[in-house]
Amino acid sequence: GIQVEQSPPDLILQEGANSTLRCNFSDSVNNLQWFHQNPWGQLINLFYIPSGTKQNGRLSATTVATERYSLLYISSSQTTDSGVYFCASAITGTASKLTFGTGTRLQVTL
Amino acid sequence: NAGVTQTPKFQVLKTGQSMTLQCAQDMNHEYMSWYRQDPGMGLRLIHYSVGAGITDQGEVPNGYNVSRSTTEDFPLRLLSAAPSQTSVYFCASRSTGLSEKLFFGSGTQLSVL
Repeated sequence: GIQVEQSPPDLILQEGANSTLRCNFSDSVNNLQWFHQNPWGQLINLFYIPSGTKQNGRLSATTVATERYSLLYISSSQTTDSGVYFCASAITGTASKLTFGTGTRLQVTL
Repeated sequence: NAGVTQTPKFQVLKTGQSMTLQCAQDMNHEYMSWYRQDPGMGLRLIHYSVGAGITDQGEVPNGYNVSRSTTEDFPLRLLSAAPSQTSVYFCASRSTGLSEKLFFGSGTQLSVL
């Protein structure tokens, strides 16, 4: 099956700093999503972005499907951004089998 | 709009006991799935369904059964619980169409002693 690798595994930022999280995948995909798991365990869908660029407030994401990677940008980070960020993807033709990476744990400090 | 609802939130079982984790969604989504989350391993797909009466196995299906008799409900059954099934379980659903965003329930923390 598809391999999904995320980097860095851990990240500590001061409030107000910017960051870039990376997701590499091993095969051609037609489904790429980013999720945030807050400290209470809730998983929130941030982006569905199989290709191109999207922005939602301080967050934006870019997927370059031909080069098999996606980036999540967090600008002007806040303590509420803390948690674990997961990317997940599915090989073209297998949209039902979304595979998750192991996540990037982000801690934003004052 | 409740979204995806999971019950119970916490459960402790003894080895060999059976139980059913409930999942319901009110978004009329055809696709539903179950994931388990273990420390350091992300989320792994257990079973999924693309519509009522249709189910299929994911990455880690052993020890779990599912059925899909209605669009709204997708229960996960543990027939004989084992300590290796201690985990956090998430149910998810999504629409089919232009956006395939996956929506998760709040999770069930299961401990098998």
